[in-house]
Amino acid sequence: KQEVTQIPAALSVPEGENLVLNCSFTDSAIYNLQWFRQDPGKGLTSLLLIQSSQREQTSGRLNASLDKSSGRSTLYIAASQPGDSATYLCAVSNAGGTSYGKLTFGQGTILTVHP
Amino acid sequence: EAQVTQNPRYLITVTGKKLTVTCSQNMNHEYMSWYRQDPGLGLRQIYYSMNVEVTDKGDVPEGYKVSRKEKRNFPLILESPSPNQTSLYFCASSLSGFGVGVSEQYFGPGTRLTVT
Repeated sequence: KQEVTQIPAALSVPEGENLVLNCSFTDSAIYNLQWFRQDPGKGLTSLLLIQSSQREQTSGRLNASLDKSSGRSTLYIAASQPGDSATYLCAVSNAGGTSYGKLTFGQGTILTVHP
Repeated sequence: EAQVTQNPRYLITVTGKKLTVTCSQNMNHEYMSWYRQDPGLGLRQIYYSMNVEVTDKGDVPEGYKVSRKEKRNFPLILESPSPNQTSLYFCASSLSGFGVGVSEQYFGPGTRLTVT
């Protein structure tokens, strides 16, 4: 059974810092990995999607990498801003056997960027 | 506007009283899914649907039913709700079809359900 772990569980940084969020998964049979942002009381917003054949994706100040063989992904946020404060979740789209179509989420990293 | 809508947004009900949470998307997406989010347990998949008339169990399907009679709608049915189904529920959709995995997902705003 796929398990997804996110480290750290919470992170507090001053504005302007570059930071890295980590996501690891136990089963490398995946189609892709997605990073989401969730604001308090709101739904999830997709930030980046990396296909299993890709190594990284970039969107503005966000860069996500994927090392499928080692079961790891990182989300890099450059020059963090208070508006980046949110919970960040990663999710894998499983490819193996009966898991097709299933998504497994990590528990998220709560990010606080203070002015 | 492209969106996923859920209704109701908030619901308080009693044990055993059947309820339905509706989900609708206007993006002609093939894939739809239901999740529940609980403190300390994260987001867990309940059911998903690859296309019309095709549904499959996620990780926590017990106590729930779904149907996909039309492409745009994917209602979640609780036949006999219990207090342990008190949770925040999200519906999501994505464009993907068979053989390519689940592509970028669009989430609804969530339904907060309390079962007393």
